[in-house]
Amino acid sequence: EAGVAQSPRYKIIEKRQSVAFWCNPISGHATLYWYQQILGQGPKLLIQFQNNGVVDDSQLPKDRFSAERLKGVDSTLKIQPAKLEDSAVYLCASSQKLAFSTDTQYFGPGTRLTVL
Amino acid sequence: AQSVSQHNHHVILSEAASLELGCNYSYGGTVNLFWYVQYPGQHLQLLLKYFSGDPLVKGIKGFEAEFIKSKFSFNLRKPSVQWSDTAEYFCAVDTGGFKTIFGAGTRLFVKA
Repeated sequence: EAGVAQSPRYKIIEKRQSVAFWCNPISGHATLYWYQQILGQGPKLLIQFQNNGVVDDSQLPKDRFSAERLKGVDSTLKIQPAKLEDSAVYLCASSQKLAFSTDTQYFGPGTRLTVL
Repeated sequence: AQSVSQHNHHVILSEAASLELGCNYSYGGTVNLFWYVQYPGQHLQLLLKYFSGDPLVKGIKGFEAEFIKSKFSFNLRKPSVQWSDTAEYFCAVDTGGFKTIFGAGTRLFVKA
């Protein structure tokens, strides 16, 4: 079974530039998550999709971050414009849908973003 | 606000020592509980999970965790660690609102 794919693996940009990350979840997984993991901290949920609908984006800084999940499969996360504090690893995960809770999440390798 | 606390940020053990990593959460309702592990150079992956039933759950590689509802805790244990257990361990809690909250992680280093 293929895992969660993410690209690029590394990205270095200057502040105020834009950047986009791509994620392809495990086939058949209805739920897709984007997390931000700052060095020394645990992953923080940015946005969660169920198929192509947003379940939770309460911690997504919507003035600069946006995300979409076209056709309920692939997803992109964009930052525009980037700030120094956006330097982090961006993790994508997917899981099967349960009725009332989350199930095991399968994580991709992450994209390490450095903002200079 | 709901939160997850992992008491130790760094743990250093010798091989064959016993391990216990603490995890406490702040939420009074029903929870689903997870421990994830990230080995050096690898993805985050599930170690074990608790949804209901026996509060003592067993996971991969000899790990187990005990859910103590009265203490809001889900501590991870292993009776005898190996060098290959060197990794970062994350406790995670799903409070039923389709949101998983992760702890800050504990880095375990096992000396051969």
